[in-house]
Amino acid sequence: GENVEQHPSTLSVQEGDSAVIKCTYSDSASNYFPWYKQELGKGPQLIIDIRSNVGEKKDQRIAVTLNKTAKHFSLHITETQPEDSAVYFCAAIRTGTASKLTFGTGTRLQVTL
Amino acid sequence: EAQVTQNPRYLITVTGKKLTVTCSQNMNHEYMSWYRQDPGLGLRQIYYSMNVEVTDKGDVPEGYKVSRKEKRNFPLILESPSPNQTSLYFCASSPYPTSGSTDTQYFGPGTRLTVL
Repeated sequence: GENVEQHPSTLSVQEGDSAVIKCTYSDSASNYFPWYKQELGKGPQLIIDIRSNVGEKKDQRIAVTLNKTAKHFSLHITETQPEDSAVYFCAAIRTGTASKLTFGTGTRLQVTL
Repeated sequence: EAQVTQNPRYLITVTGKKLTVTCSQNMNHEYMSWYRQDPGLGLRQIYYSMNVEVTDKGDVPEGYKVSRKEKRNFPLILESPSPNQTSLYFCASSPYPTSGSTDTQYFGPGTRLTVL
């Protein structure tokens, strides 16, 4: 089955700096890679996703890149703000089937003033 | 408002005392799933359901039961809870197969369970 590794487990950046979280996956058939943000006391919420037919996707201050050959994908947050502080999870799945989302172990991002 | 709700949000119980965590969604989704979240392990799937009366095991089903008698509800049952089931539990739903995949999942707010 799919295995997703995520690094780092914790990340502290100063407000305004960039943050990068990296994930690798094992199943070359996986073709959909969502990123979830989990704020304290809440469930994970989808913030951005990428499918295997594109290499990069951007939505305002967040972007995701995908390298299918190396089987890794990354989340980039620019101009970080205190409200970006949360736990971020990457995930991978092969779409079109009933296969499940496999999650990474999470990254706790702390944006300091 | 489209949402997934869980109850209770917090629960402290003792070993062996049966409990049920309820999950309900108002989006008419066919796919529902339960996850547990533990430090350093991320989210692991316990059980999932593709539709009413259709359930299947995820990665960590031992010690759990589920039922899907109605489309909107997917309760998680712990017949005889043990301390190793202390965890944060999330219910999720997805419009699969309408969306073609279980990729887009909507999560509930979580239930923090402590088994003494």
